[in-house]
Amino acid sequence: GAVVSQHPSWVICKSGTSVKIECRSLDFQATTMFWYRQFPKQSLMLMATSNEGSKATYEQGVEKDKFLINHASLTLSTLTVTSAHPEDSSFYICSAEGWQGAKGTSSYNEQFFGPGTRLTVL
Amino acid sequence: QKEVEQNSGPLSVPEGAIASLNCTYSDRGSQSFFWYRQYSGKSPELIMSIYSNGDKEDGRFTAQLNKASQYVSLLIRDSQPSDSATYLCAGLNTGGFKTIFGAGTRLFVKA
Repeated sequence: GAVVSQHPSWVICKSGTSVKIECRSLDFQATTMFWYRQFPKQSLMLMATSNEGSKATYEQGVEKDKFLINHASLTLSTLTVTSAHPEDSSFYICSAEGWQGAKGTSSYNEQFFGPGTRLTVL
Repeated sequence: QKEVEQNSGPLSVPEGAIASLNCTYSDRGSQSFFWYRQYSGKSPELIMSIYSNGDKEDGRFTAQLNKASQYVSLLIRDSQPSDSATYLCAGLNTGGFKTIFGAGTRLFVKA
């Protein structure tokens, strides 16, 4: 199946520093990638939609100047948490939208998730 | 009103039983629906997708879609303890630009 990787898998940083998280689609091209945040025992919260070659679309309440998203290629999107604070500690998950036509199915718009990045800000 | 609603559970079933997970959605224009499984501390994993009314079977999993009732369900036959996880229902919104996730149903399968 479609594979999406994230790096790093976990990171601990001091308050005020910036952290960059990479999301890569390994065996398919993803024109659209999504960034989610998940707090313990809560559901996924979509932060932004990232389209290759254009500015990301942020969900209401998500600060675009704090969460910088770059989608420079069809296989890579990055999320940078700038000036991180303890309340930014969370599980950050990316997903890539893939087409399944190559598998001989008619499915489309399925999202394939990366393994997630656990961010802890001290 | 939440766009995709699920009973948060927990739903507890004995090993070998059928687990039935339900989901309703409010966007009548939604055409594509997905079930994801998420183990604690892990990211979601796609287990089923369904686009047409009726049933779709894949191994022990059967997804059911009723667009008239705006209802999606997932049946897990012969439930195993390894099926214990949170199951997320998701639908693609009208226009297909955004996937809307439900809050998830926690399933416990007792050995």
